Amino acid sequence: EAQVTQNPRYLITVTGKKLTVTCSQNMNHEYMSWYRQDPGLGLRQIYYSMNVEVTDKGDVPEGYKVSRKEKRNFPLILESPSPNQTSLYFCASSAKLNWEQYFGPGTRLTVT
Amino acid sequence: KQEVTQIPAALSVPEGENLVLNCSFTDSAIYNLQWFRQDPGKGLTSLLLIQSSQREQTSGRLNASLDKSSGRSTLYIAASQPGDSATYLCAISEGSEKLVFGKGTKLTVNP
Repeated sequence: EAQVTQNPRYLITVTGKKLTVTCSQNMNHEYMSWYRQDPGLGLRQIYYSMNVEVTDKGDVPEGYKVSRKEKRNFPLILESPSPNQTSLYFCASSAKLNWEQYFGPGTRLTVT
Repeated sequence: KQEVTQIPAALSVPEGENLVLNCSFTDSAIYNLQWFRQDPGKGLTSLLLIQSSQREQTSGRLNASLDKSSGRSTLYIAASQPGDSATYLCAISEGSEKLVFGKGTKLTVNP
C-alpha cells in the first residue's frame, strides 16, 4: 500500500530535550516536506526537500532541522524544543510527475 | 504572496442535501489545486487534484471545479451523508516548493 508513515504519532517531552520525528514514504517520491498545523493559523510549511541531499526552508523553519540522506526518509529534528513548538506535524511527499501531495497521519507533539 | 480563503468556516446541513464549499485564491498563476479532507486529530486525505489546465475533476459524489481567471474553486458534494462530516481544506500549488492552504471549512452533516 502506498503510504507516508510518521513516528511517533504522539509525543510529550520537556523543553530542551532533543527529539526526532521520522517520516518515510514508499512511493519513490522525489519531493518531501514537513508542515505544522496550529489552530487559527492553518498548515504552514517548515522545510522541504526536492531530492536526496537537497533541502530548503519553508515559511517557519526556526528551531527545526531536517536531513535527506535517503530518498524514502525525511526526519524532522528539534534540537532544543520549546513550548511554542507544541503542534500537530505532518510529513508529505509527491512525485514530480503531477505534484499531487500525500500526507502522513500526523504527529502530535507537546512540549512542556 | 498567494492567499487562500475558504468560506464559510463552518457549515451544518441535514443529511441528503447537496452542498458547495468555496475556495478563493489571490494569484491565478497556479500549478494545481488540491482538495483534502481532515477528520479531527487525523491526517489529510487527498480528495481531488485539479491541474491548472483542467476545469473540473470528479470522484464519486464529489466534483471540484477550477476557474483560474476568477481565482475560485468549488467542491460540490452530492447527497451528503453523516460520514462526510469533516474539515475540508483547499490547497494551491504554485510550483514544486509547497502548498498554500486555506483554513478549511468544517462540515457537519446531521442525520
